[in-house]
Amino acid sequence: GAGVSQSPSNKVTEKGKDVELRCDPISGHTALYWYRQSLGQGLEFLIYFQGNSAPDKSGLPSDRFSAERTGGSVSTLTIQRTQQEDSAVYLCASSLKTSGGGLEQFFGPGTRLTVL
Amino acid sequence: GENVEQHPSTLSVQEGDSAVIKCTYSDSASNYFPWYKQELGKGPQLIIDIRSNVGEKKDQRIAVTLNKTAKHFSLHITETQPEDSAVYFCAASSNTGGFKTIFGAGTRLFVKA
Repeated sequence: GAGVSQSPSNKVTEKGKDVELRCDPISGHTALYWYRQSLGQGLEFLIYFQGNSAPDKSGLPSDRFSAERTGGSVSTLTIQRTQQEDSAVYLCASSLKTSGGGLEQFFGPGTRLTVL
Repeated sequence: GENVEQHPSTLSVQEGDSAVIKCTYSDSASNYFPWYKQELGKGPQLIIDIRSNVGEKKDQRIAVTLNKTAKHFSLHITETQPEDSAVYFCAASSNTGGFKTIFGAGTRLFVKA
């Protein structure tokens, strides 16, 4: 079956513009995560969705960042008024419902965002 | 807040030697500790994981150990091969209030042929 897909793979935008990044999780996976990875750095947690529960937004760096997950499947991460420091690879991951204490996260290939 | 520290940031070994990467975590509620391998241009991929009720787990050339008292866990790769060259991330998560996963900063492993 298909893995986690993300689009676009690359996005170049001008400072001040809004961008939308899309994530299609593995079918049946109820948990979805967004991470940011700056060049040569680790993964910075942004937001986590689990089923119909309220998302954990504790990692979002500012109110310019928001994310939605429609119908418990596809998710979009929106960055408003982009700034150069937003340039990074944005990774999405999904996993089965984590009821017992953590399950493998399956990552997409990421979207490389460049803000000029 | 929660934190995961990972060392070393870069590791270079000769093919056939062993490689060890160490991580410490701060959240005592953490009970799941996965290790991911990330190759250039790709997303991370799980290679091994361990839960808090287990002290050690092995899968062929890869092993992970966990010391909950000291809050540290380690990845051991034996008989390293050039294809093991990648960035490795440790992580810690818990089921307290959700499953936010905190990742270490990563270790870039070079295996020289």
